Amino acid sequence: NFVLAQPHSVSESPGKTVTISCTRSSGSIATNYVQWYQQRPGSAPTTVIYEDNQRPSGVPDRFSGSIDSSSNSASLTISGLETEDEADYYCQSYDTSILWVFGGGTKLTVL
Amino acid sequence: QITLKESGPTLVKPTQTLTLTCTFSGFSLSTSGVAVGWIRQPPGKALEWLALIYWDDDKRYSPSLKSRLSITKDTSKNQVFLTMTNMDPVDTATYYCAHVPGQPAVDYWGQGTLVTVSS
Repeated sequence: NFVLAQPHSVSESPGKTVTISCTRSSGSIATNYVQWYQQRPGSAPTTVIYEDNQRPSGVPDRFSGSIDSSSNSASLTISGLETEDEADYYCQSYDTSILWVFGGGTKLTVL
Repeated sequence: QITLKESGPTLVKPTQTLTLTCTFSGFSLSTSGVAVGWIRQPPGKALEWLALIYWDDDKRYSPSLKSRLSITKDTSKNQVFLTMTNMDPVDTATYYCAHVPGQPAVDYWGQGTLVTVSS
């Protein structure tokens, strides 16, 4: 199966924009949708992006998702950073047999 | 409103079998395309996908844990069960169940239940 590689941590200041990458090790990133989940400390994850770039209702439009076939990666971009965005973020995708894979997670610090 | 809640033992001994129950409301597991999944998270570590069961009883398992896992459902009771055999301390984790609406993605998560494996 494939691996989804994420940076261990990123940090940025309030009001700025940050991008978290998720690189697929084998197979095309464009073949299967990518999702992004936010997990605040001590809480269950919540979905912030599904199907590469779709936002569930209630998720601010400061959150956006994209894929880049040239780098075989997906990205989560958060603009206008707020302190409440400080959390762990996980990407997730699947293979043709519908076996899921999660990335290793990225800790976002808003300082 | 979709809700899911995990239940089961909080402490199991090494080599024992763990059975967790996911009790849900707000949807039916007889609806075409719908699935319920299990995901776990060891303390301080990343999410790990375990298993999925679809409305038509199709099942998917993590390749690394497939030999130890079994997922079943009771549609009439709105429950999904996960059984994991031969528990080990490395299986200590928070176990989440989740609603999968069609595409392989989660839209609703349970609150999670912490299972500790220790003698």
